[in-house]
Amino acid sequence: DVKVTQSSRYLVKRTGEKVFLECVQDMDHENMFWYRQDPGLGLRLIYFSYDVKMKEKGDIPEGYSVSREKKERFSLILESASTNQTSMYLCASSGQGMGTTRYNEQFFGPGTRLTVL
Amino acid sequence: AQSVTQPDIHITVSEGASLELRCNYSYGATPYLFWYVQSPGQGLQLLLKYFSGDTLVQGIKGFEAEFKRSQSSFNLRKPSVHWSDAAEYFCAVARSGGYQKVTFGIGTKLQVIP
Repeated sequence: DVKVTQSSRYLVKRTGEKVFLECVQDMDHENMFWYRQDPGLGLRLIYFSYDVKMKEKGDIPEGYSVSREKKERFSLILESASTNQTSMYLCASSGQGMGTTRYNEQFFGPGTRLTVL
Repeated sequence: AQSVTQPDIHITVSEGASLELRCNYSYGATPYLFWYVQSPGQGLQLLLKYFSGDTLVQGIKGFEAEFKRSQSSFNLRKPSVHWSDAAEYFCAVARSGGYQKVTFGIGTKLQVIP
């Protein structure tokens, strides 16, 4: 079974702190994604990566950055956390890269609930 | 740009009753369509997907969905709901052609009463 793990289930940080959310997948997937999930807004894509060291902005990249130094690991960074970044963060991975004609299922981690005080 | 509308934010059904969750999409070409389920405290799990071919697709856990191009809909159905089906359900659309970006609806929360 594909497994996507996230470093923390719950995280509490203070305004202005630098926050790292880590995601690891064990299926050698090319694509990895970071979403945030908010009530009434569904899932919104923050960033995605289709290869090591490659990244693309999603719909709401402001205030976030990402890092993908190894294929299995995709990190989301909040350079200076703010209260409006309190949310559930979901990581996902999928197996085929861009340019193909077939979409592959995204596998999700359990999520990290981040509270910024 | 593609978009997804789930008009029902919250639905309550009795155990054993049938279920239909609505989803409408907006996309110019042939879309890829998905339904995901999220149980409390969990990530999302794929229930079923439509790429092409037969417009009635079968998924896991006894769910099915029907793609209706004329109505831009992809409604999820189950003939008899179980208490364990209580969860949040997300419809999603992706651009055909292999681009990996997926747009999710806001979700429908399903409550199952005895």
